[in-house]
Amino acid sequence: GAGVSQSPSNKVTEKGKDVELRCDPISGHTALYWYRQRLGQGLEFLIYFQGNSAPDKSGLPSDRFSAERTGESVSTLTIQRTQQEDSAVYLCASSILLTGVDTIYFGEGSWLTVV
Amino acid sequence: QKEVEQNSGPLSVPEGAIASLNCTYSDRVSQSFFWYRQYSGKSPELIMSIYSNGDKEDGRFTAQLNKASQYVSLLIRDSQPSDSATYLCAVRGVTNAGKSTFGDGTTLTVKP
Repeated sequence: GAGVSQSPSNKVTEKGKDVELRCDPISGHTALYWYRQRLGQGLEFLIYFQGNSAPDKSGLPSDRFSAERTGESVSTLTIQRTQQEDSAVYLCASSILLTGVDTIYFGEGSWLTVV
Repeated sequence: QKEVEQNSGPLSVPEGAIASLNCTYSDRVSQSFFWYRQYSGKSPELIMSIYSNGDKEDGRFTAQLNKASQYVSLLIRDSQPSDSATYLCAVRGVTNAGKSTFGDGTTLTVKP
């Protein structure tokens, strides 16, 4: 596709339920990133993928959070047993390579509300 | 101390003025520096990147980097109401190029 695509764009879920957020990166982009942004705050790094591997999972807030990427394409961020503090927008981004100087392109985000 | 610090603002400037946004970072070995613009309810959009000391100009935008002072700034000349947004500073390191660390952003309002 033309840009990074995320789904769902909005999700309201009950506390304790599991949610899956999907990201389709720009075709050909080998690097994929997940960030979380709470209202009025900056972006909080969660995890990145180089190909299908995740070298740095240190940003995942707890063991309720997991992410995977298959086929060097689609990625899924799963939050188990959601809590109210998980409410945020989850942003996915991708870049062609992982050089540190390449441009990162963001999707429009998945807005998660836990009630 | 946060890894990347920005004044939260809000910063208000009149139309046509210069807006100056500042960012400091704590990791001395940081390699790459980025300024993103984020409109309310939208995702961040890259507007400038800078990798070496000095100034980098792109249209009305100038990024300035001083690695000795661990300081990066963004100047917006001839500010327009459409520049009103939150500006996020991001830093990427040498050893972990996959992780960008963001500041909390500075909210800019340009008044007509």
